[in-house]
Amino acid sequence: RKEVEQDPGPFNVPEGATVAFNCTYSNSASQSFFWYRQDCRKEPKLLMSVYSSGNEDGRFTAQLNRASQYISLLIRDSKLSDSATYLCVVTHRGYQKVTFGTGTKLQVIP
Amino acid sequence: DTAVSQTPKYLVTQMGNDKSIKCEQNLGHDTMYWYKQDSKKFLKIMFSYNNKELIINETVPNRFSPKSPDKAHLNLHINSLELGDSAVYFCASSQDGVSKFFGPGTRLTVL
Repeated sequence: RKEVEQDPGPFNVPEGATVAFNCTYSNSASQSFFWYRQDCRKEPKLLMSVYSSGNEDGRFTAQLNRASQYISLLIRDSKLSDSATYLCVVTHRGYQKVTFGTGTKLQVIP
Repeated sequence: DTAVSQTPKYLVTQMGNDKSIKCEQNLGHDTMYWYKQDSKKFLKIMFSYNNKELIINETVPNRFSPKSPDKAHLNLHINSLELGDSAVYFCASSQDGVSKFFGPGTRLTVL
């Protein structure tokens, strides 16, 4: 089983839709969780951290479920500019071990 | 103004050649990294340096040798390039090990 798994997609959604991605991780000792965004042929950029209690940043909501070992990202009111690949990142051993998922591709359609 | 810069942006070379990629960050971060992203978009850490000292060295062929002359620079030298080395190489820096700032990437093509 891969350490971090994501559905590669693509998720094709119309503008204004709500879309959610999950990311599962295999190591129960994982400590910190993040979502990064990567545009086509660009570098990854930190989107948001994921806290145990869940957290929100504008249209984006991140949740962590330690019991089932997954994190999720919800995007409300999708914009064309949200089209990108969303990478899930999991760390443990005090950030010494950082594992990226292979990403979920989102395409927002006009 | 670029926080993390890499040169060159594109590198096309023949098998067996030796090449270097340079990375510089002006964020004052203590930790720098090299990542490799293959054709399947899998982003994998190769090396991590903290204040010029190697702290992470994942399973990478010893043809790859990182060098950090100071904490703002982390270069990557690759000997005897192979076809499988073709990928995008990203440099990154971080102060807290959490928020990583990535460079624009170097797209390496080995022919």
